[in-house]
Amino acid sequence: KAGVTQTPRYLIKTRGQQVTLSCSPISGHRSVSWYQQTPGQGLQFLFEYFSETQRNKGNFPGRFSGRQFSNSRSEMNVSTLELGDSALYLCASSLGGSPSTDTQYFGPGTRLTVL
Amino acid sequence: GQSLEQPSEVTAVEGAIVQINCTYQTSGFYGLSWYQQHDGGAPTFLSYNALDGLEETGRFSSFLSRSDSYGYLLLQELQMKDSASYFCAVVISSGSARQLTFGSGTQLTVLP
Repeated sequence: KAGVTQTPRYLIKTRGQQVTLSCSPISGHRSVSWYQQTPGQGLQFLFEYFSETQRNKGNFPGRFSGRQFSNSRSEMNVSTLELGDSALYLCASSLGGSPSTDTQYFGPGTRLTVL
Repeated sequence: GQSLEQPSEVTAVEGAIVQINCTYQTSGFYGLSWYQQHDGGAPTFLSYNALDGLEETGRFSSFLSRSDSYGYLLLQELQMKDSASYFCAVVISSGSARQLTFGSGTQLTVLP
């Protein structure tokens, strides 16, 4: 079974631009979560989608948004990029069932650099 | 709020056993996960404990005590390739929503 895939793997943008990142979950997985990883803040939760609905959102500004499609693929968008948005953006997928048994599996990430 | 504490660095030699502890304070706790991350790579799932006790998967074992808000990852027969960052993460759920909240990570260095 193929793992979680993310595109693009690397991205360079300038301040003020916007960016869209894509995530394809493991086949059969209906939950997709997004995380930001930086050296200073570590791994931080952005949001989680399940069946095209946002179920949970972390403490990030409204410039960060996402969506999920009927095939469970997800995109996240960051508008008006800031230097501090430079990070590794990780997508994780899971079946989305009971949290007592649900396990999240991560994709390789998208390395975003904002100049 | 939520907080997780784990050591920032651990060093051990090949063939040894190392234990990485994790204590947490959180609400909506469902379980404790462990992930391994090599430099430049993505976190790789190692184990998940929803119930108290020890879970063993090959050279890796993970333990959880819900009453003590404490868990650990035990790595046996250390190999050079085990040098990586190890993150504990609590699974938090409120209603149907859930998320992983990660600790700051433990950098494990395995020496020859």
